[in-house]
Amino acid sequence: EAQVTQNPRYLITVTGKKLTVTCSQNMNHEYMSWYRQDPGLGLRQIYYSMNVEVTDKGDVPEGYKVSRKEKRNFPLILESPSPNQTSLYFCASSLDGRLYNSPLHFGNGTRLTVT
Amino acid sequence: AQSVTQLDSHVSVSEGTPVLLRCNYSSSYSPSLFWYVQHPNKGLQLLLKYTSAATLVKGINGFEAEFKKSETSFHLTKPSAHMSDAAEYFCVAVAGGTSYGKLTFGQGTILTVHP
Repeated sequence: EAQVTQNPRYLITVTGKKLTVTCSQNMNHEYMSWYRQDPGLGLRQIYYSMNVEVTDKGDVPEGYKVSRKEKRNFPLILESPSPNQTSLYFCASSLDGRLYNSPLHFGNGTRLTVT
Repeated sequence: AQSVTQLDSHVSVSEGTPVLLRCNYSSSYSPSLFWYVQHPNKGLQLLLKYTSAATLVKGINGFEAEFKKSETSFHLTKPSAHMSDAAEYFCVAVAGGTSYGKLTFGQGTILTVHP
């Protein structure tokens, strides 16, 4: 089944403890991206990757890191989480970043709470 | 820089009446525009897309949207609402030019459908 898999689904952590949220897709997509969703703000793009080893900042990259060493994986790293990073996070992928011929496929989300 | 504004945070309609969800955008380039829907506790699903072909775009489940460049708008409509349409809707712009891959979401519109 074609899918984007995020892990974990739920995560509660403390301020400053490094964490990684994994994202993997099995559709051979070139494009992958991360978003956070907060009430009243919609989704905001954190980082995106047009291809392996190519990543760019979205609108809210501060406090996050990403890497794209393989086509299928695009982990999101929080080196020193803070309470303002408490949010619902989504990973998404597509054939390419123009989205002309392939829609974004979203993962099921990761709900992160930082205390 | 680009921006997307959804003019209503909440829209409430009765079943069988028309739906109008409003979206304005601003962009330095001609953007590609999309509408996505998010049902409670679910990921996002593509409703329809505009990529510079026909200005009236038909999507799934009877939804349509019209791209009006002069008004910088991309409003979503449906002639007759169903209870199953109750969800949150997001208008999305994909940058053009050298910024492919950068996505901007509107703040979201929660659609409530009354029996």
